Amino acid sequence: GAGVSQSPRYKVAKRGQDVALRCDPISGHVSLFWYQQALGQGPEFLTYFQNEAQLDKSGLPSDRFFAERPEGSVSTLKIQRTQQEDSAVYLCASSLTIAGVVRGPFFGPGTRLTVL
Amino acid sequence: AQSVTQPDIHITVSEGASLELRCNYSYGATPYLFWYVQSPGQGLQLLLKYFSGDTLVQGIKGFEAEFKRSQSSFNLRKPSVHWSDAAEYFCAVGVFTGNQFYFGTGTSLTVIP
Repeated sequence: GAGVSQSPRYKVAKRGQDVALRCDPISGHVSLFWYQQALGQGPEFLTYFQNEAQLDKSGLPSDRFFAERPEGSVSTLKIQRTQQEDSAVYLCASSLTIAGVVRGPFFGPGTRLTVL
Repeated sequence: AQSVTQPDIHITVSEGASLELRCNYSYGATPYLFWYVQSPGQGLQLLLKYFSGDTLVQGIKGFEAEFKRSQSSFNLRKPSVHWSDAAEYFCAVGVFTGNQFYFGTGTSLTVIP
């Protein structure tokens, strides 16, 4: 089946603009994760959803970052008043646990955000 | 706190040679362990994972990894490297009670003819 998709793939924003990044997880996957990957670094955890519930948002770097998954499928990561330090690749991943066995997590291609 | 260490920032191997990428983790219990590969401009592709059972795990593209509890390691191996294996490799620890993944800083693999 289809994998995790993200849109847009590339986003250029002027400092101070708001952006919205979309993630379409694999159909039926309950768990959804957002990660931030700075250039030359490993991915850093941002937030986690189980269905529509945001169970962990401890990795969100500031209150300018907001994520939602209102119907338990598609998720949106919103960044308000973007700053240059927000420039990174934002990765989404989804997974499903069946009978104690985790399938995934599988990552999308990412959205590369550049803040000028 | 959980952590993942990939001691080698960059490795260069000749095509056809064997490969071992190191990964050490720090966690109070046996975590879920993963290896991902990332080609330039691409997302992360899952190579293999360990949850329990046989400590030698087979993955895609001819990769395997061995979990060694006594060494808190989960090293990735391939007997014969292909030029297409050149990429960034990330080891990750999954802590599903907290539903978080912790990634290492990655190892960049260069394959020379």
